[in-house]
Amino acid sequence: DTGVSQDPRHKITKRGQNVTFRCDPISEHNRLYWYRQTLGQGPEFLTYFQNEAQLEKSRLLSDRFSAERPKGSFSTLEIQRTEQGDSAMYLCASSLATGLNYGYTFGSGTRLTVV
Amino acid sequence: AQKVTQAQTEISVVEKEDVTLDCVYETRDTTYYLFWYKQPPSGELVFLIRRNSFDEQNEISGRYSWNFQKSTSSFNFTITASQVVDSAVYFCARNTGRRALTFGSGTRLQVQP
Repeated sequence: DTGVSQDPRHKITKRGQNVTFRCDPISEHNRLYWYRQTLGQGPEFLTYFQNEAQLEKSRLLSDRFSAERPKGSFSTLEIQRTEQGDSAMYLCASSLATGLNYGYTFGSGTRLTVV
Repeated sequence: AQKVTQAQTEISVVEKEDVTLDCVYETRDTTYYLFWYKQPPSGELVFLIRRNSFDEQNEISGRYSWNFQKSTSSFNFTITASQVVDSAVYFCARNTGRRALTFGSGTRLQVQP
């Protein structure tokens, strides 16, 4: 296993278009997280899954954003009707469900540019 | 929200100098976790250390050391004899609730040869 994979690495889209990103976690990790990082800032939590259940969502996750993890393995994050303010790096992380272990492994992210 | 503050936006040092990155956090909890991550230009966040609030012992790992001061809510990170490969953005973080992490805004470290 080579770690957490994210695809694509870069995405340029026109305002108003929909985009979808994919994250493949480490295979034995049952928790998966999405974070957003804007330029010059630290990552901000968006949502997390335990297996296929989405258990927590941040207020940052507006109704234009939707995340799924249909079979408890890979996850997708879709942004509908993109806005310039959505331009950011979208980071995925995974971990084992071991209480407060927080043994996150992050992927390299998908950089979204909305023009 | 319980904030994490990294007041140093950017630090530049010459190779072999020691450098300390500051981190101050807010907490209303008795139990919490603190972290440091490194983000090289490739973008991937690399885990460096996790410390729980009950363990106030300082930790050393090679050229890296961490100073946890609960009384001042600080968790500072020192790199001894810095190297060019240490150039990256370093983030301090703490847990928010049971799952999420709250990150500081990061400190960009530039190590000049």
